[in-house]
Amino acid sequence: DVVMTQSPLSLPVTLGQPASISCRSSQSLVYSDGNTYLHWFQQRPGQSPRRLIYKVSNRDSGVPDRFSGSGSGTDFTLKISRVEAEDVAVYYCMQGSQWPLTFGQGTRLEIK
Amino acid sequence: VQLLESGGGLVQPGGSLRLSCAASGFSFSNYAMGWVRQAPGKGLEWVSDISGSGANTYYADSVKGRFTISRDNSKNTLYLQMNSLRVEDTAIYYCTREVASTAYGHFECWGQGTLVTVSA
Repeated sequence: DVVMTQSPLSLPVTLGQPASISCRSSQSLVYSDGNTYLHWFQQRPGQSPRRLIYKVSNRDSGVPDRFSGSGSGTDFTLKISRVEAEDVAVYYCMQGSQWPLTFGQGTRLEIK
Repeated sequence: VQLLESGGGLVQPGGSLRLSCAASGFSFSNYAMGWVRQAPGKGLEWVSDISGSGANTYYADSVKGRFTISRDNSKNTLYLQMNSLRVEDTAIYYCTREVASTAYGHFECWGQGTLVTVSA
């Protein structure tokens, strides 16, 4: 199975400051069709998860442009350019390139 | 797009439960669907996926042989039949929509979830 490792697991951030979450996979996530199926999800307290970023760097509809994704192969990053109060949530990376589908452990972002 | 799960509840170890997910707002048969679960206070775990036609199914090792995913495209409904339930199956179960009939692991849309508690 592909193991997804996120860091840090807890991320205290001051409002208006940037934040960065790392996600590393145990194997390359480049699929045979050339795409990299690495996605990011946000789960606010008490809510269902919501997809933020798909295929490494594509923002979903309605996602603020302060969120960005980057990376390749086995090393990926989610960045928030300026953290707002509504960004308090747990963030998960997930790979869809190989069965079984696997998630990272989650990173809890809190306001300092 | 709306996904509405139901069927959760309290069940004893070894028991069975069937979850349903009523879908609306899109052409149901054109999309693969999946189930993802979250144990209390824990992270997300993929459970199962099914193609748009229902012909292809996929399972996590932790549920293979005990859970069965299915769909009724005439009723726009996704199901998860859960047998031989264990305490470790306790979780919120989310219904998810994929991005195409045979595309998996995208989880573009999510339902609100239904809680399954397995306890004596």
